[in-house]
Amino acid sequence: EAGVAQSPRYKIIEKRQSVAFWCNPISGHATLYWYQQILGQGPKLLIQFQNNGVVDDSQLPKDRFSAERLKGVDSTLKIQPAKLEDSAVYLCASSGRNPDNEQFFGPGTRLTVL
Amino acid sequence: AQSVAQPEDQVNVAEGNPLTVKCTYSVSGNPYLFWYVQYPNRGLQFLLKYITGDNLVKGSYGFEAEFNKSQTSFHLKKPSALVSDSALYFCAVRDSLRYTGGFKTIFGAGTRLFVKA
Repeated sequence: EAGVAQSPRYKIIEKRQSVAFWCNPISGHATLYWYQQILGQGPKLLIQFQNNGVVDDSQLPKDRFSAERLKGVDSTLKIQPAKLEDSAVYLCASSGRNPDNEQFFGPGTRLTVL
Repeated sequence: AQSVAQPEDQVNVAEGNPLTVKCTYSVSGNPYLFWYVQYPNRGLQFLLKYITGDNLVKGSYGFEAEFNKSQTSFHLKKPSALVSDSALYFCAVRDSLRYTGGFKTIFGAGTRLFVKA
């Protein structure tokens, strides 16, 4: 089966600019996650969708970050405006809806904010 | 509140020797525990999980992990390390108690494993 797809793989922008990332999960996976992974740290959950509804966005900086999964399939994560501290790898993952389902991760998007 | 700790930033082991990567956790309910591996320039890959039942679980690439409820630990092990096992390993935990309709996963900070030939 096809894995989780993400694009772009790399992005370099200047602070205060905007950027968007795209994710296409594994077909049939109800749950989609966006994580931020700063160098040397573990992934931090930004937002979790179950189908097209948000079930957890408690750590999403909502003044600058937004995400949507309109049709319950693919998703976009946007940052506007970007700050230097947003430099990180943004990982998308998907899984089945049950808590014992493991997550499948995409290759990530490496964002550099100058 | 749930949390997970990986006390070692780095583990060094010689090829052919056994390896252990440590993980401890804290949850309110029963834990669902996972190990993931991240090879350079690649996304995280699932290795194994503990949900219930036998405390020793086996996973991909010859890895296994032992769940210890009294010590709240879930250490990753392999009897004989390979150079190709060198990677970043993450322990993750979910609390079985429902959380706002979803199940939040908390990842540890990661442990870098170096296997020397």
